[in-house]
Amino acid sequence: KNQVEQSPQSLIILEGKNCTLQCNYTVSPFSNLRWYKQDTGRGPVSLTIMTFSENTKSNGRYTATLDADTKQSSLHITASQLSDSASYICVVRDQTGANNLFFGTGTRLTVIP
Amino acid sequence: GAVVSQHPSRVICKSGTSVKIECRSLDFQATTMFWYRQFPKQSLMLMATSNEGSKATYEQGVEKDKFLINHASLTLSTLTVTSAHPEDSSFYICSASSSGTSSYEQYFGPGTRLTVT
Repeated sequence: KNQVEQSPQSLIILEGKNCTLQCNYTVSPFSNLRWYKQDTGRGPVSLTIMTFSENTKSNGRYTATLDADTKQSSLHITASQLSDSASYICVVRDQTGANNLFFGTGTRLTVIP
Repeated sequence: GAVVSQHPSRVICKSGTSVKIECRSLDFQATTMFWYRQFPKQSLMLMATSNEGSKATYEQGVEKDKFLINHASLTLSTLTVTSAHPEDSSFYICSASSSGTSSYEQYFGPGTRLTVT
């Protein structure tokens, strides 16, 4: 069964600190993995996309890693800001069709001053 | 990047009435549009997939007669919630993709908060 699991479910950190969010998946055959940021009451916004051959990719203060062998990905946020408070969703696409997306339940990050 | 809009952003309706939500791709032609529902503290759940000019494909458990989807043009899809009930209250998000992009990336709209009283 294709599944995407994220941890932790929620996280509270102090402003300026770093944090790492985890995503484990069983989706096969694998096509790509995206990390999205979803602010409360808004639609998801793509942060990074990782394909099978990519191990790490950065987008500003966001750095995503992918281990396709262990089917794990992480999203590292450095020097957190209050505006980073949001839900971060890991989404995996398989290769069987253009619309087969598997969503994680997300990690709710709260950055406090 | 590609922009997807939704209208309205928030809507409150009475039980038994119908409400229509619009999803537009502003700067690209969306051959496929998706409708998702998201309950509080849960992730997005795909409701249906619609291709321009053809009938939508609904996910298991989604009533096609209750959630009417029309994808009449390459830039517009609508979701009509018919005979709304309080349990239909949710956050509805659309996304759009184009067969012209190699990654079939889905661009998400900002969502519509539906409250049924």
